[in-house]
Amino acid sequence: DVKVTQSSRYLVKRTGEKVFLECVQDMDHENMFWYRQDPGLGLRLIYFSYDVKMKEKGDIPEGYSVSREKKERFSLILESASTNQTSMYLCASSKLAGANEQFFGPGTRLTVL
Amino acid sequence: KQEVTQIPAALSVPEGENLVLNCSFTDSAIYNLQWFRQDPGKGLTSLLLIQSSQREQTSGRLNASLDKSSGRSTLYIAASQPGDSATYLCAVGGDSGSRLTFGEGTQLTVNP
Repeated sequence: DVKVTQSSRYLVKRTGEKVFLECVQDMDHENMFWYRQDPGLGLRLIYFSYDVKMKEKGDIPEGYSVSREKKERFSLILESASTNQTSMYLCASSKLAGANEQFFGPGTRLTVL
Repeated sequence: KQEVTQIPAALSVPEGENLVLNCSFTDSAIYNLQWFRQDPGKGLTSLLLIQSSQREQTSGRLNASLDKSSGRSTLYIAASQPGDSATYLCAVGGDSGSRLTFGEGTQLTVNP
């Protein structure tokens, strides 16, 4: 089975802090994604990566950056956390070719105070 | 820009009923369509993936159909059970299939 893990289930940070969210997948997938999910807005793509050191902006990249130094790991970075970044963050991965089925991690509920 | 709509937003049914969840999308040039289940506070679990060349996929009590020309997909759940209670999300993959556009989901409650 594909397994996508995220470093924390719950996280509480203060405004202005630098926040790192980590995601690891164990199925040698090329593609990795970061989404945020908010009531009434659904899932929105922040960034994705199709290879090591490659990244593409999604629909809402402002205030975020990403890092992909190894194929299995994709990090989301909030350079200076703000209260409007309080949300559920979901990581996903998929193979580059073929069916492209996406598999998700358990999510990180981030609260910025 | 692709837009995905799921109707109804919420559905409550008695146990044992067969039900259909609907998903519509505005751009028929899709690569694939994926149905997910999400339990409260949890991540998404992939249920079914339909490639653009396929008409339907089945897994156990679940059957998903795809009509690209009309921009519609349905998820059929047979003999519903209380354990099926969750939010069901539809997502459409674009040209390469890598990027998904999500609907807002249908919250299903199956009452014992």
